[in-house]
Amino acid sequence: GDSVTQMEGPVTLSEEAFLTINCTYTATGYPSLFWYVQYPGEGLQLLLKATKADDKGSNKGFEATYRKETTSFHLEKGSVQVSDSAVYFCALTILAGKSTFGDGTTLTVKP
Amino acid sequence: EAEVAQSPRYKITEKSQAVAFWCDPISGHATLYWYRQILGQGPELLVQFQDESVVDDSQLPKDRFSAERLKGVDSTLKIQPAELGDSAMYLCASSDPLGGPYNEQFFGPGTRLTVL
Repeated sequence: GDSVTQMEGPVTLSEEAFLTINCTYTATGYPSLFWYVQYPGEGLQLLLKATKADDKGSNKGFEATYRKETTSFHLEKGSVQVSDSAVYFCALTILAGKSTFGDGTTLTVKP
Repeated sequence: EAEVAQSPRYKITEKSQAVAFWCDPISGHATLYWYRQILGQGPELLVQFQDESVVDDSQLPKDRFSAERLKGVDSTLKIQPAELGDSAMYLCASSDPLGGPYNEQFFGPGTRLTVL
């Protein structure tokens, strides 16, 4: 079946550090890929998405590139802020909107 | 800005009791999802509706869980009887299928269930 594997957390960084959160996937078919963010006590919010190979999704300084050859969709940000502290979920969608999520990576950014 | 509404936000119950959660999707979104998120894990799909019809309920524990979306708008998820292992966050999401086959899902704030 479909699956998403994220790097284990938690990840702790200092403000302005570079962020990478790894995500790889296994899918039957040709998925779209997503990163969602979840702040404490809230639901998930879409951060960025990419729908085909070599697409780059970007939002709020975060980027991720759909790499079909390595089945990866790593999340990056050049300079993190304290407000980026949250849980980040990588997800894929195949058909009819059915999504498979990774287990999430907790990011803490310290001043 | 349109949002997915859920209530209650928090629910504490004793095992063997019945609980119900309510979700009101974004207006016009024909697809509605219920997810269960156990602490430290990603959301797991319980049931997916297209209008009032169930599209996928393969992961719904049907001996104790039920879901309905009678008029194709809001939805209720019920657990009866609740068990200790049901303690989790229950998330509702909706999407517009006309937005394409890989359309974005919009999530509500969730209901945090604690079973004692």
